[in-house]
Amino acid sequence: QSALTQPPSVSGSLGQSVTISCTGTSSDVGNSKRVSWYQQPPGTAPKVLIYEVNNRPAGVSDRFSGSKSGNTASLTISGLQTEDEADYYCGSFSIISNVFLFGGGTKLTVL
Amino acid sequence: QQQLQESGPGLAKPSETLSLTCTVSSGSMITPNYWWAWIRQPPGKGLEYIGSIFYTGSTYYNPSLKSRGTISVDTSKNQFSLKVNSVTATDTAVYYCVRQRGLDSWSFDLWGRGTLVTISS
Repeated sequence: QSALTQPPSVSGSLGQSVTISCTGTSSDVGNSKRVSWYQQPPGTAPKVLIYEVNNRPAGVSDRFSGSKSGNTASLTISGLQTEDEADYYCGSFSIISNVFLFGGGTKLTVL
Repeated sequence: QQQLQESGPGLAKPSETLSLTCTVSSGSMITPNYWWAWIRQPPGKGLEYIGSIFYTGSTYYNPSLKSRGTISVDTSKNQFSLKVNSVTATDTAVYYCVRQRGLDSWSFDLWGRGTLVTISS
């Protein structure tokens, strides 16, 4: 099974917004609400930012938001801060492979 | 607050078996709300889902391991374990044990700190 497709890197200036895309198929991203996003600062374990497409766990800033259109999910980070510099991963369950798939990851640079 | 902690050897030889245990503290694993998963990350690379287990012993596995992986649970110790046999250098990775929300969600909401396992002779 193939990983979900993310851009390798994105960048944005302090205070601006960026959007990271995650493209899958009708068997995974496009199939259901089982899409999630994770943030991994350097040298640390990942942390969930968004679950079930657009839900934020308690304690996650409302600057992070998720959405989905067809087979592509998106993570938008508004009001960029230096501490947002990290790797971001999307993930989704594939009903055809019966396995959870991760995207390849996107490195965010805050200028 | 619940925590997860990986333990096990940090080094294994090629063709041998990698064995890791995850201890779940502050809360029982016997709950219908969560599954318990292993996810790994080779150095400098992305995340790879290995598999999940429910407290009853039901499992999901990533076919990419080609049946080399086995996940088991010991609810009396509040632990779950991972074994990967016939390891090669490509199994070198940081291994995370993770709490997974139910099958309607398939999201990973609590992560251990991770443990690096190196495959080398």
